[in-house]
Amino acid sequence: QVQLVESGGGVVQPGRSLRLSCAGAGFSFSSYAIHWVRQTPGKGLEWVALISYDGSTKYYTDSVKGRFTISRDNSKNTVYLQMNSLRVEDTAVYYCARDGAFDIWGQGTMVMVSS
Amino acid sequence: QAVVTQEPSLTVSPGGTVTLTCGSSTGAVTSGHYPHWFQQKPGQAPRTLIYDTSNKHSWTPARFSGSLLGGKAALTLSGAQPDDESEYYCLLSYSGARVFGGGTYLTVL
Repeated sequence: QVQLVESGGGVVQPGRSLRLSCAGAGFSFSSYAIHWVRQTPGKGLEWVALISYDGSTKYYTDSVKGRFTISRDNSKNTVYLQMNSLRVEDTAVYYCARDGAFDIWGQGTMVMVSS
Repeated sequence: QAVVTQEPSLTVSPGGTVTLTCGSSTGAVTSGHYPHWFQQKPGQAPRTLIYDTSNKHSWTPARFSGSLLGGKAALTLSGAQPDDESEYYCLLSYSGARVFGGGTYLTVL
């Protein structure tokens, strides 16, 4: 079954770190760039980051530059989002999605940053 | 970073036609922005309706179409159904980085 599955969300204090994972299955994972997108409860979608199929190129939204790092391990069919120096405003559901037609989305993983 | 603008809300009558638009603070939206359109129902992940301006997925109802109109990306719904009541988001590409619009809530009434 073609799918993306996120994991690693949870509750964390401001200033701490968290690593999210996005595992792909059912398709040639190493051939696709992958995005992270987040959504604050009750609010709109925010694009967060993109990593190319081979990990050589990365893009970030301004609000996470210097704090978040996207990476991938194609041997594990997994993309990661390392989130450091977390802020209350990073609280959101984090989705990963396949690049191109955005035809595959995960179910999302919730990150809550709270003291 | 660019700002992408959408109508906050629109209303369409059942069976009617409505056009949602997606503008860019950097100027006219072109095919080079690879406009995407997403539908999102409460509690669900977004679902892509249109990609690269006007391409549809196999699950995209025929009543939805994408285009460029007056310097903006446009999503046109022809023959609105009650099930089309939803939030709609556009996404534009800026040399790799992406930016979502704020979303349009479409009411079918």
